[in-house]
Amino acid sequence: GAVVSQHPSRVICKSGTSVKIECRSLDFQATTMFWYRQFPKQSLMLMATSNEGSKATYEQGVEKDKFLINHASLTLSTLTVTSAHPEDSSFYICSAVSGLGSTDTQYFGPGTRLTVL
Amino acid sequence: GENVEQHPSTLSVQEGDSAVIKCTYSDSASNYFPWYKQELGKGPQLIIDIRSNVGEKKDQRIAVTLNKTAKHFSLHITETQPEDSAVYFCAASIGSSASKIIFGSGTRLSIRP
Repeated sequence: GAVVSQHPSRVICKSGTSVKIECRSLDFQATTMFWYRQFPKQSLMLMATSNEGSKATYEQGVEKDKFLINHASLTLSTLTVTSAHPEDSSFYICSAVSGLGSTDTQYFGPGTRLTVL
Repeated sequence: GENVEQHPSTLSVQEGDSAVIKCTYSDSASNYFPWYKQELGKGPQLIIDIRSNVGEKKDQRIAVTLNKTAKHFSLHITETQPEDSAVYFCAASIGSSASKIIFGSGTRLSIRP
């Protein structure tokens, strides 16, 4: 159980285009999902918290107009990188929270490798 | 702000030996401490976690210890195998919520055959 999927696994796009990444919790419902960014040989950096039915909460320094997050259902959150540029190239990973309160646990997706040319 | 420090950054051990990774955290309100294993090109995989109401938890070859007074926790892997080679991340919850977590910088573990 507790499986999180991401699609696509990798994407290459031209500078100036937009890219949408999907994150799904396959066997549980998640009112909260998170989006992270990871550069090579570095740790995960939290970008935003995605809450079902409400606006996402962005971490300091993350442009909300550039990284659009939509959490339309309890099993799906999407991250859209708008007007992508080469510096947006990175490994994007989502996670979904399973459980409630003192027993909740965060499970991660397999990641999406974005390359902007 | 909240901070998690992780040591060592790299660790090489002989197959069959034990590996220990240590982390310290700054937020005294943290009460949830997961450990993740990340293989190259993949997402982090939860391998074990511990909550503040216990001091130790074990799952086969993996164990985690927690010292809330000193604000540090450790991952212990015994009888290491080649497939244990990966990057390991510790994390600590921000405040009392187990949902939002902050990661350590990671430890690259290599198992020598």
